[in-house]
Amino acid sequence: DSGVTQTPKHLITATGQRVTLRCSPRSGDLSVYWYQQSLDQGLQFLIHYYNGEERAKGNILERFSAQQFPDLHSELNLSSLELGDSALYFCASSPLGQNTGELFFGEGSRLTVL
Amino acid sequence: DAKTTQPNSMESNEEEPVHLPCNHSTISGTDYIHWYRQLPSQGPEYVIHGLTSNVNNRMASLAIAEDRKSSTLILHRATLRDAAVYYCILRATYSGNTPLVFGKGTRLSVIA
Repeated sequence: DSGVTQTPKHLITATGQRVTLRCSPRSGDLSVYWYQQSLDQGLQFLIHYYNGEERAKGNILERFSAQQFPDLHSELNLSSLELGDSALYFCASSPLGQNTGELFFGEGSRLTVL
Repeated sequence: DAKTTQPNSMESNEEEPVHLPCNHSTISGTDYIHWYRQLPSQGPEYVIHGLTSNVNNRMASLAIAEDRKSSTLILHRATLRDAAVYYCILRATYSGNTPLVFGKGTRLSVIA
C-alpha cells in the first residue's frame, strides 16, 4: 500500500460525458502528479501540482483539467470524452523538496469510454 | 530529460539473478538514475535510485558505470512476483519535484 488513494477504481461512461477522478496523496506530501497509461502510449505525464499550484504540464489535452485543493487532494477532470480517452489514470505523490526521492503511485482509476 | 535505452524484454529463471541494463549516454552530471517497476494491474513502484556510487536496498542493487553512461539493475534472486515492466529513468536535480518521464521499459518474465 503506497498510501496514495485514488477513486473511483473503475469508471464506465459514454462519449461526450465528463468525469472527475480523485486523488488523495500520502499524508504530508505536497506534490501530486497525474499520469495516463493507455495500451499504445505507455505512461504519459499529464500534470504536476505542488501545494496547490500548477508546476508542470505534460501531454495534457485541453479537454482535461486538474486542480489541487487546500487539503492537498487533487482532482483530474476529463470532459467531452472520446473513445481514445479510455485508459488507466494514475496519481502519484512525493514529499516536499525531495527531487531525488521517490514518487508513490496509487492503484489507478480505469476509465472506459463507450 | 536525457533519454534512456532498455531492452524491450528479458527472461529469467526463478531464483536466479537478473541483470537489467540501461544505457543513458547523454546523462548530465546532475541527473539521478531512477528505477521503477510496474507489476500487472498496479501502479508503478519505486525500486532504487543513485547518482554515482552503487546502491543497495532490500529490493535490488544498482550498479552504475564509472562514466555514468550506463547502469544495471540487479535482482539477486528473481521470484515470480518480480515479473513486471522495469523502467530506467533519469531525473534532473536542479528543479524541484520534476516529474518522472517514463519510456517503454523492459518487460521481465520469470519462469518457474
